[in-house]
Amino acid sequence: KAGVTQTPRYLIKTRGQQVTLSCSPISGHRSVSWYQQTPGQGLQFLFEYFSETQRNKGNFPGRFSGRQFSNSRSEMNVSTLELGDSALYLCASSLRAGGGETQYFGPGTRLLVL
Amino acid sequence: KQEVTQIPAALSVPEGENLVLNCSFTDSAIYNLQWFRQDPGKGLTSLLLIQSSQREQTSGRLNASLDKSSGRSTLYIAASQPGDSATYLCAVPFMGNEKLTFGTGTRLTIIP
Repeated sequence: KAGVTQTPRYLIKTRGQQVTLSCSPISGHRSVSWYQQTPGQGLQFLFEYFSETQRNKGNFPGRFSGRQFSNSRSEMNVSTLELGDSALYLCASSLRAGGGETQYFGPGTRLLVL
Repeated sequence: KQEVTQIPAALSVPEGENLVLNCSFTDSAIYNLQWFRQDPGKGLTSLLLIQSSQREQTSGRLNASLDKSSGRSTLYIAASQPGDSATYLCAVPFMGNEKLTFGTGTRLTIIP
């Protein structure tokens, strides 16, 4: 079974631009979560989607948004990029929502904002 | 607010030694605790998940324990190998949702 895939793997953007990252969960998984990882803040939760509905949201500004499609694939969007948005963005999938199951992570998208 | 701490932040041991990594959490209302490893610049690989009703979980040379009442988990690695070098992270989900709170990680180096 294929693992979680994320595209693109690397991105370079300039301040003020916007970016869209994509995540395809493991086949059959319906819950997708997004995390931001930076050297200073570590891993921080962005949001979680289950059955096309956002169930939880972390403490990030409204410039960060996401959505989930009927096939469980998810996208996250960051508008008006800032230098501090440079990070590794990870998505994770699990079979069901509720926090009771193993979460499987993708390889991440490394975003550099210049 | 759940806080997860991992001590030490970095650890170097000679190849072949057994070692223990520690994870502490402040809120014992957890469903489970998950251990991950992360290689430099890569995503996270799930190692073990211990349900709140379990005390231990084993996979190969890895053994994880969980003591909810004291807010602690340990990851025991037997007969360490250079390929075990990585950052190890523990994480707990808040009750009822997928949000994982991660520890800051322990960077492990196995010296050949």
